[in-house]
Amino acid sequence: KNQVEQSPQSLIILEGKNCTLQCNYTVSPFSNLRWYKQDTGRGPVSLTIMTFSENTKSNGRYTATLDADTKQSSLHITASQLSDSASYICVVSDRGSTLGRLYFGRGTQLTVWP
Amino acid sequence: EADIYQTPRYLVIGTGKKITLECSQTMGHDKMYWYQQDPGMELHLIHYSYGVNSTEKGDLSSESTVSRIRTEHFPLTLESARPSHTSQYLCASSGTLGRGQVEKLFFGSGTQLSVL
Repeated sequence: KNQVEQSPQSLIILEGKNCTLQCNYTVSPFSNLRWYKQDTGRGPVSLTIMTFSENTKSNGRYTATLDADTKQSSLHITASQLSDSASYICVVSDRGSTLGRLYFGRGTQLTVWP
Repeated sequence: EADIYQTPRYLVIGTGKKITLECSQTMGHDKMYWYQQDPGMELHLIHYSYGVNSTEKGDLSSESTVSRIRTEHFPLTLESARPSHTSQYLCASSGTLGRGQVEKLFFGSGTQLSVL
Protein backbone atom coordinates (compact mmCIF):
# COMPACT_ATOMS: atom_id res chain seq x y z
CA LYS A 1 0.00 0.00 0.00
CA ASN A 2 1.37 3.41 -0.99
CA GLN A 3 1.81 5.53 2.10
CA VAL A 4 3.62 8.59 3.36
CA GLU A 5 4.46 8.73 7.06
CA GLN A 6 5.79 11.83 8.78
CA SER A 7 7.45 12.24 12.15
CA PRO A 8 7.23 13.72 14.61
CA GLN A 9 3.54 14.54 14.58
CA SER A 10 4.28 17.79 16.41
CA LEU A 11 7.39 19.63 17.52
CA ILE A 12 8.10 22.67 19.69
CA ILE A 13 11.41 24.48 19.44
CA LEU A 14 12.84 27.78 20.59
CA GLU A 15 13.46 30.61 18.17
CA GLY A 16 16.91 30.42 16.63
CA LYS A 17 17.25 26.66 17.02
CA ASN A 18 17.50 24.14 14.19
CA CYS A 19 15.19 21.21 13.63
CA THR A 20 14.73 18.25 11.29
CA LEU A 21 11.46 16.75 10.14
CA GLN A 22 11.24 13.23 8.76
CA CYS A 23 9.27 11.65 5.93
CA ASN A 24 9.20 7.93 5.08
CA TYR A 25 7.31 6.64 2.07
CA THR A 26 6.39 3.38 0.41
CA VAL A 27 5.12 4.89 -2.85
CA SER A 28 6.14 2.94 -5.92
CA PRO A 29 6.99 3.77 -8.59
CA PHE A 30 8.61 6.89 -7.20
CA SER A 31 8.85 10.05 -9.25
CA ASN A 32 9.38 13.03 -6.99
CA LEU A 33 8.99 14.23 -3.43
CA ARG A 34 7.66 17.63 -2.39
CA TRP A 35 7.70 19.54 0.86
CA TYR A 36 5.00 22.09 1.55
CA LYS A 37 4.49 24.62 4.33
CA GLN A 38 0.92 25.22 5.43
CA ASP A 39 0.09 28.08 7.75
CA THR A 40 -3.01 27.65 9.89
CA GLY A 41 -6.15 28.26 7.85
CA ARG A 42 -4.21 28.72 4.59
CA GLY A 43 -3.33 26.62 1.58
CA PRO A 44 0.01 24.76 1.33
CA VAL A 45 2.94 26.58 -0.25
CA SER A 46 5.69 24.68 -2.05
CA LEU A 47 9.15 24.66 -0.43
CA THR A 48 11.09 22.10 -2.50
CA ILE A 49 10.61 19.46 -5.16
CA MET A 50 13.16 16.67 -5.55
CA THR A 51 13.30 14.09 -8.31
CA PHE A 52 14.83 10.64 -8.13
CA SER A 53 18.26 11.91 -9.11
CA GLU A 54 18.44 14.70 -6.54
CA ASN A 55 19.51 14.06 -2.96
CA THR A 56 19.47 17.58 -1.57
CA LYS A 57 17.78 20.87 -2.35
CA SER A 58 17.73 24.15 -0.46
CA ASN A 59 15.31 27.03 -0.31
CA GLY A 60 16.69 29.69 2.00
CA ARG A 61 16.80 28.29 5.53
CA TYR A 62 15.03 25.11 4.40
CA THR A 63 17.11 22.15 3.18
CA ALA A 64 15.49 18.93 2.04
CA THR A 65 17.31 15.65 1.57
CA LEU A 66 16.22 12.52 -0.23
CA ASP A 67 17.46 8.95 -0.01
CA ALA A 68 15.56 7.06 -2.70
CA ASP A 69 17.16 3.77 -1.68
CA THR A 70 15.80 3.85 1.86
CA LYS A 71 12.73 5.87 0.79
CA GLN A 72 13.36 8.58 3.33
CA SER A 73 13.41 12.35 3.18
CA SER A 74 14.12 15.02 5.73
CA LEU A 75 13.47 18.74 5.93
CA HIS A 76 16.02 20.70 7.95
CA ILE A 77 15.16 24.18 9.16
CA THR A 78 18.07 26.37 10.20
CA ALA A 79 17.90 29.25 12.67
CA SER A 80 14.16 28.96 13.16
CA GLN A 81 11.94 32.03 13.24
CA LEU A 82 8.49 32.59 14.73
CA SER A 83 7.08 32.65 11.19
CA ASP A 84 8.24 29.06 10.70
CA SER A 85 5.36 27.94 12.93
CA ALA A 86 3.21 25.90 10.55
CA SER A 87 2.41 22.41 9.37
CA TYR A 88 5.02 20.87 7.06
CA ILE A 89 3.62 18.36 4.61
CA CYS A 90 5.53 15.72 2.66
CA VAL A 91 3.99 14.71 -0.70
CA VAL A 92 5.17 11.92 -2.99
CA SER A 93 4.29 11.59 -6.67
CA ASP A 94 4.28 8.32 -8.56
CA ARG A 95 4.74 9.65 -12.08
CA GLY A 96 7.19 11.67 -14.18
CA SER A 97 7.24 15.38 -14.78
CA THR A 98 3.49 15.31 -15.37
CA LEU A 99 1.68 15.49 -12.05
CA GLY A 100 0.82 11.90 -11.24
CA ARG A 101 -1.09 10.60 -8.30
CA LEU A 102 -0.03 12.43 -5.15
CA TYR A 103 0.29 10.79 -1.76
CA PHE A 104 0.09 13.21 1.15
CA GLY A 105 1.50 12.83 4.64
CA ARG A 106 -0.45 14.16 7.61
CA GLY A 107 2.17 16.78 8.30
CA THR A 108 4.38 17.78 11.20
CA GLN A 109 3.01 20.66 13.23
CA LEU A 110 5.97 22.90 14.15
CA THR A 111 5.66 25.56 16.82
CA VAL A 112 8.47 28.05 17.34
CA TRP A 113 8.51 29.80 20.72
CA PRO A 114 10.26 33.10 21.40
CA GLU B 1 3.22 33.58 -5.37
CA ALA B 2 0.39 31.59 -6.88
CA ASP B 3 -2.43 33.41 -8.66
CA ILE B 4 -5.24 31.19 -7.48
CA TYR B 5 -8.13 32.56 -5.48
CA GLN B 6 -10.88 31.04 -3.42
CA THR B 7 -14.02 32.62 -2.04
CA PRO B 8 -15.38 32.76 0.51
CA ARG B 9 -12.59 32.18 3.05
CA TYR B 10 -15.10 31.19 5.71
CA LEU B 11 -18.70 30.02 5.37
CA VAL B 12 -21.15 29.07 8.11
CA ILE B 13 -24.51 27.79 6.89
CA GLY B 14 -27.47 25.73 8.03
CA THR B 15 -28.25 22.16 7.06
CA GLY B 16 -29.98 21.73 3.71
CA LYS B 17 -28.65 24.89 2.09
CA LYS B 18 -27.12 24.87 -1.37
CA ILE B 19 -23.63 26.35 -1.54
CA THR B 20 -21.03 27.05 -4.19
CA LEU B 21 -17.34 27.46 -3.40
CA GLU B 22 -15.56 29.58 -5.96
CA CYS B 23 -12.06 29.00 -7.33
CA SER B 24 -10.28 30.98 -10.02
CA GLN B 25 -6.73 30.98 -11.35
CA THR B 26 -5.01 33.38 -13.69
CA MET B 27 -2.02 31.20 -14.60
CA GLY B 28 -3.68 29.59 -17.61
CA HIS B 29 -3.39 26.11 -16.11
CA ASP B 30 -5.44 23.37 -17.74
CA LYS B 31 -5.40 21.15 -14.66
CA MET B 32 -7.36 22.05 -11.55
CA TYR B 33 -8.20 20.16 -8.38
CA TRP B 34 -10.34 20.21 -5.25
CA TYR B 35 -9.00 18.76 -2.01
CA GLN B 36 -10.70 18.24 1.34
CA GLN B 37 -8.71 18.51 4.56
CA ASP B 38 -9.74 17.88 8.15
CA PRO B 39 -7.60 19.07 11.11
CA GLY B 40 -4.45 17.00 11.56
CA MET B 41 -5.26 14.83 8.57
CA GLU B 42 -3.86 14.51 5.07
CA LEU B 43 -5.38 16.19 2.02
CA HIS B 44 -7.83 14.07 0.05
CA LEU B 45 -8.54 14.63 -3.64
CA ILE B 46 -12.29 14.90 -4.27
CA HIS B 47 -12.44 16.29 -7.85
CA TYR B 48 -10.10 17.16 -10.68
CA SER B 49 -10.26 18.57 -14.19
CA TYR B 50 -7.76 18.38 -17.02
CA GLY B 51 -9.45 21.05 -19.10
CA VAL B 52 -12.69 22.71 -20.11
CA ASN B 53 -15.69 20.36 -19.97
CA SER B 54 -13.55 17.68 -18.32
CA THR B 55 -14.24 16.69 -14.71
CA GLU B 56 -13.48 13.53 -12.75
CA LYS B 57 -14.09 12.28 -9.22
CA GLY B 58 -11.08 11.90 -7.00
CA ASP B 59 -10.01 9.32 -4.45
CA LEU B 60 -12.38 10.42 -1.70
CA SER B 61 -16.08 10.03 -2.35
CA SER B 62 -17.86 13.36 -2.12
CA GLU B 63 -21.45 14.45 -2.53
CA SER B 64 -20.24 17.68 -4.11
CA THR B 65 -20.18 18.38 -7.83
CA VAL B 66 -17.91 20.54 -9.97
CA SER B 67 -18.01 22.20 -13.36
CA ARG B 68 -15.35 23.53 -15.74
CA ILE B 69 -16.92 25.82 -18.30
CA ARG B 70 -13.94 28.18 -18.44
CA THR B 71 -10.25 27.39 -18.04
CA GLU B 72 -9.78 29.79 -15.18
CA HIS B 73 -12.87 28.85 -13.15
CA PHE B 74 -13.56 25.63 -11.23
CA PRO B 75 -16.48 25.99 -8.79
CA LEU B 76 -17.60 23.30 -6.34
CA THR B 77 -21.26 22.93 -5.41
CA LEU B 78 -23.06 21.17 -2.57
CA GLU B 79 -26.78 20.84 -3.32
CA SER B 80 -27.79 20.17 0.27
CA ALA B 81 -25.16 20.79 2.93
CA ARG B 82 -24.95 18.58 6.02
CA PRO B 83 -22.83 18.79 9.19
CA SER B 84 -20.66 15.95 7.82
CA HIS B 85 -19.56 18.34 5.06
CA THR B 86 -17.85 20.58 7.61
CA SER B 87 -14.21 20.74 6.52
CA GLN B 88 -11.59 22.84 4.79
CA TYR B 89 -11.80 22.80 0.99
CA LEU B 90 -8.64 23.61 -0.96
CA CYS B 91 -8.55 24.39 -4.66
CA ALA B 92 -5.35 23.89 -6.65
CA SER B 93 -4.02 24.11 -10.16
CA SER B 94 -0.90 22.68 -11.73
CA GLY B 95 1.46 23.57 -14.54
CA THR B 96 5.10 23.61 -15.57
CA LEU B 97 7.46 26.55 -15.88
CA GLY B 98 9.02 25.11 -19.00
CA ARG B 99 9.58 21.99 -21.08
CA GLY B 100 11.04 19.17 -19.04
CA GLN B 101 10.31 20.90 -15.75
CA VAL B 102 8.51 19.08 -12.96
CA GLU B 103 4.86 20.07 -12.78
CA LYS B 104 4.14 22.28 -9.78
CA LEU B 105 0.97 22.36 -7.74
CA PHE B 106 -0.34 25.70 -6.52
CA PHE B 107 -3.00 25.99 -3.81
CA GLY B 108 -5.55 28.63 -3.00
CA SER B 109 -6.03 29.85 0.56
CA GLY B 110 -8.94 27.50 1.14
CA THR B 111 -12.56 27.78 2.26
CA GLN B 112 -13.39 26.71 5.81
CA LEU B 113 -16.95 25.40 5.67
CA SER B 114 -19.04 24.88 8.79
CA VAL B 115 -22.51 23.36 8.45
CA LEU B 116 -24.71 23.70 11.52
